[in-house]
Amino acid sequence: QSALTQPASVSGSPGQSITISCAGTSSDVGSYDLVSWYQQHPGKAPKLMIYEGSKRPSGVSNRFSGSKSGTTASLTISGLQAEDEADYYCCSYAGSSTYVFGTGTKVTVL
Amino acid sequence: EVQLVESGGGLVQPGGSLRLSCAASGFTFSSYLMHWVRQTPGKGLVWVSRVNSDASSTTYADSVKGRFTISRDNAKNTLYLQLNSLRAEDTAMYYCAGGPAAYFDLWGRGTLVTVSS
Repeated sequence: QSALTQPASVSGSPGQSITISCAGTSSDVGSYDLVSWYQQHPGKAPKLMIYEGSKRPSGVSNRFSGSKSGTTASLTISGLQAEDEADYYCCSYAGSSTYVFGTGTKVTVL
Repeated sequence: EVQLVESGGGLVQPGGSLRLSCAASGFTFSSYLMHWVRQTPGKGLVWVSRVNSDASSTTYADSVKGRFTISRDNAKNTLYLQLNSLRAEDTAMYYCAGGPAAYFDLWGRGTLVTVSS
């Protein structure tokens, strides 16, 4: 149950696009289309942004999109806005009803 | 309004016990997979445990297996986590979270557990 690997930080200017990677293994990300992404602002609870790899919950901006290639999942934020500055975590189903989160990425809007 | 409200956190000595509760409202609690997720101050999220909708199946992270017990009471719309043999490294904010499938679309605001002598 090792944490999925994310870059510690990613930054971009308003209007730009950024991509956050989430590297797993053949036991988690590579085996299931069950990666979800969460946004967390300081002092707040996490918020679901993407589920089942690429699906957006109702109310989440279409500027957020998810994808996967092999054992690496990705979250792309297009048209970066100041309100997107937060921590982002990926999470994958890891089999046998267990789950594993990523190490987290701090997104900074320059 | 959909809500998850945790309670029961606090300061406990190493080796001690606590029972966390999570009161659910505004959705069909008995249909949801429910989980506990923890976050050490300033660090990342860690999945702790999960119980299925009818409480017939539970799973745990290796780090808490044998020490923590998850349970639920669908009649009371409440999720529980019994924490035993607590260690300093269990100090964290504990979040209750739930979802209809393998993701967490509902989160509480958390309850802080501090293990210290």
